[in-house]
Amino acid sequence: GEDVEQSLFLSVREGDSSVINCTYTDSSSTYLYWYKQEPGAGLQLLTYIFSNMDMKQDQRLTVLLNKKDKHLSLRIADTQTGDSAIYFCAESISETGGSYIPTFGRGTSLIVHP
Amino acid sequence: GAGVSQSPSNKVTEKGKDVELRCDPISGHTALYWYRQSLGQGLEFLIYFQGNSAPDKSGLPSDRFSAERTGGSVSTLTIQRTQQEDSAVYLCASSLVGHEAYEQYFGPGTRLTVT
Repeated sequence: GEDVEQSLFLSVREGDSSVINCTYTDSSSTYLYWYKQEPGAGLQLLTYIFSNMDMKQDQRLTVLLNKKDKHLSLRIADTQTGDSAIYFCAESISETGGSYIPTFGRGTSLIVHP
Repeated sequence: GAGVSQSPSNKVTEKGKDVELRCDPISGHTALYWYRQSLGQGLEFLIYFQGNSAPDKSGLPSDRFSAERTGGSVSTLTIQRTQQEDSAVYLCASSLVGHEAYEQYFGPGTRLTVT
């Protein structure tokens, strides 16, 4: 079955880099995502990576995918207090008919100290 | 509005009562999803609507839960005879289907508290 796991908490100082890790079990995953949830808000897609890629960079965000180990990470450079939020890892498999229903991890609470 | 909206934002109900939660997806999005987020848990998939196809109800936890989507737009999630374990944040998301189907846009959620 599908399972996505991530650590529950991460605390960093402002200006440092944050690395949030995620592991998944389904080797047929096609898409892997990182979502951000700020207090009282819904989830916002931050970035995604296709399973045939091993890295994607978007401004301060770097996603690394190790398909062999089924390990996904999100690195946030120069972390700011505004980055404090819950970060969800998710994966989905391309289904016939276009049904993309992701499986989400429990979320990592990132706390950024000034 | 430009985003997904949900109402009410908060709902407190007594055990045994029925509740209805509403979702207005982004105009033109044919796919609509309902999730449940319990404290300390990830998102639990509940139900998925895509156009005129039969909905995927595989995530509904019991027959007390049902949802409908009228006219391919607004969706209502109904929970009958609510129980305390139904307390959670209920999130709705919508997306275009096809190449960009993976980009789900989420609403702010409805926080349901069953007393």
